[in-house]
Amino acid sequence: EAQVTQNPRYLITVTGKKLTVTCSQNMNHEYMSWYRQDPGLGLRQIYYSMNVEVTDKGDVPEGYKVSRKEKRNFPLILESPSPNQTSLYFCASSLHRVGKNTEAFFGQGTRLTVV
Amino acid sequence: DAKTTQPTSMDCAEGRAANLPCNHSTISGNEYVYWYRQIHSQGPQYIIHGLKNNETNEMASLIITEDRKSSTLILPHATLRDTAVYYCIVREANDMRFGAGTRLTVKP
Repeated sequence: EAQVTQNPRYLITVTGKKLTVTCSQNMNHEYMSWYRQDPGLGLRQIYYSMNVEVTDKGDVPEGYKVSRKEKRNFPLILESPSPNQTSLYFCASSLHRVGKNTEAFFGQGTRLTVV
Repeated sequence: DAKTTQPTSMDCAEGRAANLPCNHSTISGNEYVYWYRQIHSQGPQYIIHGLKNNETNEMASLIITEDRKSSTLILPHATLRDTAVYYCIVREANDMRFGAGTRLTVKP
């Protein structure tokens, strides 16, 4: 079954404690991205990756890092989380080119609370 | 900024067709129109996309005007499970930006 898997689904952490949210896809997609969703602000893109070792900033990259060492994995790293990073996070993947069969698949979401 | 304009909310009676409009007057020739929906706080779900021809799949139909400045997503027989936020996105490459979407409520 084609899917994007995020872990953990829920996480409560303290300010400053480094954490990683993992994202894995089994569709051999080239393109992967991270979004955060906040009430009243909708879905905003944090980082995206066009392929292995190719990453770029989205609209709200501050405070986040990503890596793309393998095609299937795209972890989101918060080196020093702060309360304003409390949010619902989604990972997504799709084929690189736009056209047929380029729908994006989203993970189930990770609800992060930073206290 | 999102390149689309959608109504904030709409209601639809169960079993009737839901027609969700989207304006994208600045769309360029290479940009596709995509529709996604998000039920509660689940991950957005792909519905359909098109370039200039109308499209239909098992979930919905997409009608794109000839000038491509607007489109309509049609759910032919809405059910209570179709209650969700529906996002219309124009996209050329991998630049997928979500606007506020339309909150569709299907009522019994």
